[in-house]
Amino acid sequence: EAGVTQFPSHSVIEKGQTVTLRCDPISGHDNLYWYRRVMGKEIKFLLHFVKESKQDESGMPNNRFLAERTGGTYSTLKVQPAELEDSGVYFCASSQEIIGTSPDTQYFGPGTRLTVL
Amino acid sequence: AQKVTQAQTEISVVEKEDVTLDCVYETRDTTYYLFWYKQPPSGELVFLIRRNSFDEQNEISGRYSWNFQKSTSSFNFTITASQVVDSAVYFCALSGNTNAGKSTFGDGTTLTVKP
Repeated sequence: EAGVTQFPSHSVIEKGQTVTLRCDPISGHDNLYWYRRVMGKEIKFLLHFVKESKQDESGMPNNRFLAERTGGTYSTLKVQPAELEDSGVYFCASSQEIIGTSPDTQYFGPGTRLTVL
Repeated sequence: AQKVTQAQTEISVVEKEDVTLDCVYETRDTTYYLFWYKQPPSGELVFLIRRNSFDEQNEISGRYSWNFQKSTSSFNFTITASQVVDSAVYFCALSGNTNAGKSTFGDGTTLTVKP
């Protein structure tokens, strides 16, 4: 079974440009999450989809970030316009289901390393 | 609010040494889950273990063992007889029942095992 995949693995862009990151979750996983790790610090939650709906987007830093999950399959995270502080590693994760209030294990992709110059 | 603290930023050991990675957490949730992930040089996060707050039994998986102590809010990870392939960044994470979809991570501990 294929794991979570992310594309691209690396992206180098200039400040002010737009970048779109893609995540393909494990097949059958309704829950999809975006996280990022900036400057070697902790991995921070960005948002959580349940199928195509945004369940929690409390971690999105500002309105330059837009996440979508049309059809409840893959997801995209667009940064427009990118700023220097957006540099970091963006991780995507997926999990099967959340039963009541019990979190399911999240399986992570390899991440996209974004560098904004 | 939830918080996970991994006080050890970097640890370096020589092969075959035992090493313990510390994890201390804070949460107001009555039910919560703790996780450990490994990030090898290739970059992906590899799930290692999931433990719920009602199960304080220690767990052993090969050379890996975990010590969960609710009294000290700690979930420490020990690697016995370390190997070079254990070199990686290790993350401890917490997810509580009030927001089950959101995991809070520590800063990670970089473990280097030298031959």
